[in-house]
Amino acid sequence: ETGVTQSPTHLIKTRGQQVTLRCSSQSGHNTVSWYQQALGQGPQFIFQYYREEENGRGNFPPRFSGLQFPNYSSELNVNALELDDSALYLCARISGGNTEAFFGQGTRLTVV
Amino acid sequence: GQQLNQSPQSMFIQEGEDVSMNCTSSSIFNTWLWYKQEPGEGPVLLIALYKAGELTSNGRLTAQFGITRKDSFLNISASIPSDVGIYFCAGQLIEYGNKLVFGAGTILRVKS
Repeated sequence: ETGVTQSPTHLIKTRGQQVTLRCSSQSGHNTVSWYQQALGQGPQFIFQYYREEENGRGNFPPRFSGLQFPNYSSELNVNALELDDSALYLCARISGGNTEAFFGQGTRLTVV
Repeated sequence: GQQLNQSPQSMFIQEGEDVSMNCTSSSIFNTWLWYKQEPGEGPVLLIALYKAGELTSNGRLTAQFGITRKDSFLNISASIPSDVGIYFCAGQLIEYGNKLVFGAGTILRVKS
């Protein structure tokens, strides 16, 4: 068990809508990362939050945004959903001196 | 950007056989991580490597961090049916906010 919980597990949205995905950790970790995993591919880094501030971002447009809260839970928000946003979204807590990433089970988002 | 070339793409082996997979890159990484992912789950960390040349074991799994810091391999000895899954390598660059760059994965199937 990684101690990282994501909700919901599955979600279906319509193109153009907005979505919020959530992540929480059993123990407090002040660094959290979000990844997008398209079918048949490895995860792609979206962004990372440290002490409630974004401190690293991958090649994703601004309509992908996030929040981290004082209790270290986190949200991923995606606006103006596109069909290509359909993927497994993974949240990871960062441990081991900021090197090891422990993932939740993911949220499967389908955009129709 | 950084890319990881993971091979082979898939393997279908007999139970009891040894397995070897590897990742190469044109970039130098500070850390190499190996993950296993099963259907409907997030990636689970198997082994983390921190130093060039480091050889680390975790049960029947052995992984090495290449001397050039541009490659890594994972070996699984005496495979069993529960080894089935997708194995991902991931490289980490501290100067890029600790983001992980993932390979495309190796699909492992085991015949019992």
